[in-house]
Amino acid sequence: LAKTTQPISMDSYEGQEVNITCSHNNIATNDYITWYQQFPSQGPRFIIQGYKTKVTNEVASLFIPADRKSSTLSLPRVSLSDTAVYYCLVGDGRDNQGGKLIFGQGTELSVKP
Amino acid sequence: SQTIHQWPATLVQPVGSPLSLECTVEGTSNPNLYWYRQAAGRGLQLLFYSVGIGQISSEVPQNLSASRPQDRQFILSSKKLLLSDSGFYLCAWSLGRRSEQFFGPGTRLTVL
Repeated sequence: LAKTTQPISMDSYEGQEVNITCSHNNIATNDYITWYQQFPSQGPRFIIQGYKTKVTNEVASLFIPADRKSSTLSLPRVSLSDTAVYYCLVGDGRDNQGGKLIFGQGTELSVKP
Repeated sequence: SQTIHQWPATLVQPVGSPLSLECTVEGTSNPNLYWYRQAAGRGLQLLFYSVGIGQISSEVPQNLSASRPQDRQFILSSKKLLLSDSGFYLCAWSLGRRSEQFFGPGTRLTVL
């Protein structure tokens, strides 16, 4: 499974756009990129998933360049409640591996008023 | 709708004692099931996953074991706890390939 590298922490202010970049140089052809959000003492929650180019949903956008060796999670106009740890995961979730994903250390985002 | 339950929510156990954590999923059939551990700080460590009843794959050699006696039941066990077993244990389920994993509320285990 591809290893990911992300910043340990980031600071932002309410109303700003936050971009968290994840490096995954060894991503395989069948791998998808998935981002999760985790609040203290809770399990992670799925945010967004993509394979290439751009994916957007109601909470975030995911930008993936053509070489797919990195990806950027974009959170528009963050609020205090977006303070959390964000994980970038890469894998193909093959059924014979139970769809398993490897969580790295994540990026701790702190949103200030 | 699907729900996932874990119990107990918190647990304090002495070193050398046994452990049994239970996870059940409702509202879906034949899910993939996972046990994770999160030590102080962050970073989830995948411990076990299961693609079906009686099918368990271990990711990390340790004194923990897992069992899946029923389709939607996943149990994490230990015969003798170590101090290093302390952490936040999370159960999760998914419907397989590339699908979203849904996490339970977790069990906070403290081994003294």
